[in-house]
Amino acid sequence: GDSVTQMEGPVTLSEEAFLTINCTYTATGYPSLFWYVQYPGEGLQLLLKATKADDKGSNKGFEATYRKETTSFHLEKGSVQVSDSAVYFCAPNFGNEKLTFGTGTRLTIIP
Amino acid sequence: NAGVTQTPKFQVLKTGQSMTLQCAQDMNHNSMYWYRQDPGMGLRLIYYSASEGTTDKGEVPNGYNVSRLNKREFSLRLESAAPSQTSVYFCASSELGGADTGELFFGEGSRLTVL
Repeated sequence: GDSVTQMEGPVTLSEEAFLTINCTYTATGYPSLFWYVQYPGEGLQLLLKATKADDKGSNKGFEATYRKETTSFHLEKGSVQVSDSAVYFCAPNFGNEKLTFGTGTRLTIIP
Repeated sequence: NAGVTQTPKFQVLKTGQSMTLQCAQDMNHNSMYWYRQDPGMGLRLIYYSASEGTTDKGEVPNGYNVSRLNKREFSLRLESAAPSQTSVYFCASSELGGADTGELFFGEGSRLTVL
């Protein structure tokens, strides 16, 4: 069946380090792909999205590319800041009108 | 600019007690959702409502009931709380077909502890 696998955390990085959070999916079709972010004490909010193969979503310095050949949608940022500390969720839409959320990756950035 | 409002934010119950989590959105969205968030398990969908007057089960509906009172409000009821229902509950809303665009708008969450 359709499923999503997300890199387990927690991840701790120093400020200005390069970030990658892996996300892969298994699907019978071609889902739309999303990254959500949850800052401490808040609800989730959409970070970026890509709806078809080779699309690149970007926002707040984060990027993710829809890779059909590897069924992946890895989240990257070139230089992280303390304010990026949050929990990140990969969330495909497998076409059933609902999002499926990954388990979340907790990111902590140290000054 | 309220967005999605959930009440209460915190609640402690004893096993067997009942309670209702309230959710309201002011964005005129058609679809509304209830999720629970547990450590290591991400968010799991409990129930959703694609439009006023309709509700459907999600991944983990057992032990819960919902009511789509009107377009704005979507409540989640625990009839007889169990310790396994200790969790953080999130309400979300989206435009019709919004899940296809991924643009769900979330409330701040309700932390429920069942003793």
